[in-house]
Amino acid sequence: NAGVMQNPRHLVRRRGQEARLRCSPMKGHSHVYWYRQLPEEGLKFMVYLQKENIIDESGMPKERFSAEFPKEGPSILRIQQVVRGDSAAYFCASSPVDSPRNQPQHFGDGTRLSIL
Amino acid sequence: AQSVAQPEDQVNVAEGNPLTVKCTYSVSGNPYLFWYVQYPNRGLQFLLKYITGDNLVKGSYGFEAEFNKSQTSFHLKKPSALVSDSALYFCAVRASYNTDKLIFGTGTRLQVFP
Repeated sequence: NAGVMQNPRHLVRRRGQEARLRCSPMKGHSHVYWYRQLPEEGLKFMVYLQKENIIDESGMPKERFSAEFPKEGPSILRIQQVVRGDSAAYFCASSPVDSPRNQPQHFGDGTRLSIL
Repeated sequence: AQSVAQPEDQVNVAEGNPLTVKCTYSVSGNPYLFWYVQYPNRGLQFLLKYITGDNLVKGSYGFEAEFNKSQTSFHLKKPSALVSDSALYFCAVRASYNTDKLIFGTGTRLQVFP
């Protein structure tokens, strides 16, 4: 399967715990984007990364949220000290190296985060 | 600021009838426009895009969309709806000049009745 892989598909955390969401882009893709989808809403951009670089984090909350895309391994979205309002579906997308702006982003199936 | 509007929360259509899902956008410069479909508990699947060229764009599963610059619209259409087309549809825009992120509309739920 050469698609965008996200894990886990479902994640349950208690308030105050940490959540780690992983994303492996499509083969040959080096651009990764994270989006958040609240119930009955569209997707909201969070962060755009290339290998070892954060390109655009204008959609990231100022506190508790961080993202990385290391040279080796998947991209990680990390949420510290989770609160109930963090409950959402988190989607990762990737696009190829060449002309990323006119290429569609390819999405994973998402991680559904539930905070108890 | 860039924005996308999908004025209809839900569209109902009988199987075999044509369907239209509306989208208007606001962006500085030339827009890159995309339609995606989302099935329950899945990610978004790419349907089609407009970058430049012909205003009528053909995509996957028989869908097409018409870019209208004067009306800043990019409506999704299909001549004959199938029950299996029932899903959530998202329009998205990306300004061509300075950003890679997608701005999504709030989505339109398409319900095709047999």
